[in-house]
Amino acid sequence: AQRVTQPEKLLSVFKGAPVELKCNYSYSGSPELFWYVQYSRQRLQLLLRHISRESIKGFTADLNKGETSFHLKKPFAQEEDSAMYYCALENSGGSNYKLTFGKGTLLTVNP
Amino acid sequence: GAGVSQSPRYKVAKRGQDVALRCDPISGHVSLFWYQQALGQGPEFLTYFQNEAQLDKSGLPSDRFFAERPEGSVSTLKIQRTQQEDSAVYLCASMKALGANVLTFGAGSRLTVL
Repeated sequence: AQRVTQPEKLLSVFKGAPVELKCNYSYSGSPELFWYVQYSRQRLQLLLRHISRESIKGFTADLNKGETSFHLKKPFAQEEDSAMYYCALENSGGSNYKLTFGKGTLLTVNP
Repeated sequence: GAGVSQSPRYKVAKRGQDVALRCDPISGHVSLFWYQQALGQGPEFLTYFQNEAQLDKSGLPSDRFFAERPEGSVSTLKIQRTQQEDSAVYLCASMKALGANVLTFGAGSRLTVL
């Protein structure tokens, strides 16, 4: 069965510091991976997906199949990055169907 | 509408009561999903509709949970004889079609069962 693990429930950094939110997955097939973000009092929204290979708000994430990881990184954290971040895996051939989410990491960026 | 609308935003029910949660997806969105998010957890898949057809209900935790989307737009998630373990935020999400499109979530309905 597929599983997504986010080992850190809480992560606190100072503004300008690098940040890395960890995500590991277990899945027998070819995974489609996503990062979703929920800012305070806002809805859950897509941040980025690995297939797009894009950088959104300065964040990037690289799929490492050898380590089964999809860590989210940003070189210089900003206070507005403070939010709940969820890593998610899609398990139906890349059609964005039936996501399996991790438990989330609450990122706090201190001034 | 501009986004996915869910109602009620908050619902308090006594154990044993039936509840109905409504989701208005973005107009024209074919795919509709329900997720359950318990406190401190990530969202967990409940069920999926393509238009009016419920193609996957494998995530519904028991036969007390029932979802419908009779006309392929508005969907209702019904929970019968609510139990305390049903307390959670119920998220609805819609997508134009399966594929490379973005899943748009509603604000959720927070159910508390006393």
